Amino acid sequence: DIQMTQSPSTLSASVGDRVTITCRASQSISVWLAWYQQKPGKVPKLLIYKASSLESGVPSRFSGSGSGTEFTLTISSLQPDDSATYYCQHYNSLFGQGTKLEIK
Amino acid sequence: QVQLQESGPGLVKPSETLSLTCTVSGGSISNYYWSWIRQPPGKGLEWIGYVYSSGSTNYNPSLKSRVSISVDTSKNQFSLKLSYVTAADTAVYYCARDPGVWGQGTLVTVSS
Repeated sequence: DIQMTQSPSTLSASVGDRVTITCRASQSISVWLAWYQQKPGKVPKLLIYKASSLESGVPSRFSGSGSGTEFTLTISSLQPDDSATYYCQHYNSLFGQGTKLEIK
Repeated sequence: QVQLQESGPGLVKPSETLSLTCTVSGGSISNYYWSWIRQPPGKGLEWIGYVYSSGSTNYNPSLKSRVSISVDTSKNQFSLKLSYVTAADTAVYYCARDPGVWGQGTLVTVSS
């Protein structure tokens, strides 16, 4: 079974910073990766699908890249509303452990 | 637009079987993979498994011995059964279709 490893587990950054979260698969998953944002008490929200496609309505400061085994989620200019936990997921399979993003 | 809705008991006794159903509306259940995901209080997301509309399944190895997911295409529903539950199975349970179509989630508490 393919394992997903996400890092870092926590991240603290300031408004305006560029932030990167990494997700690694234990074997190649091509581009079958999604990124989600979850705020407390809410359903996870899709940000990125097929590794790099921006979901409709998601701000353009979010971007995804990668293929095979290594993937990144980048927030180009951090905003206060971006405080949340972020998860990667191999389609129809396991999630990464999550990255809790805190705004300084 | 496809919408998913979980239903089932909110309280299950230890050692019993947790049963949930997800009703798909606004689209057909055919030709898609349908997943169950859970989130214990204060913890991360855990993929439980999926069923394809044909009935084929795949489960998280950590739960495989206790999980069964099935589909009823005539009712546009799919279901989860998790046997021999303990307090560690207390979680919000979501049904989902990748990528990004999720139900609102239902809290299931395991307690006597």
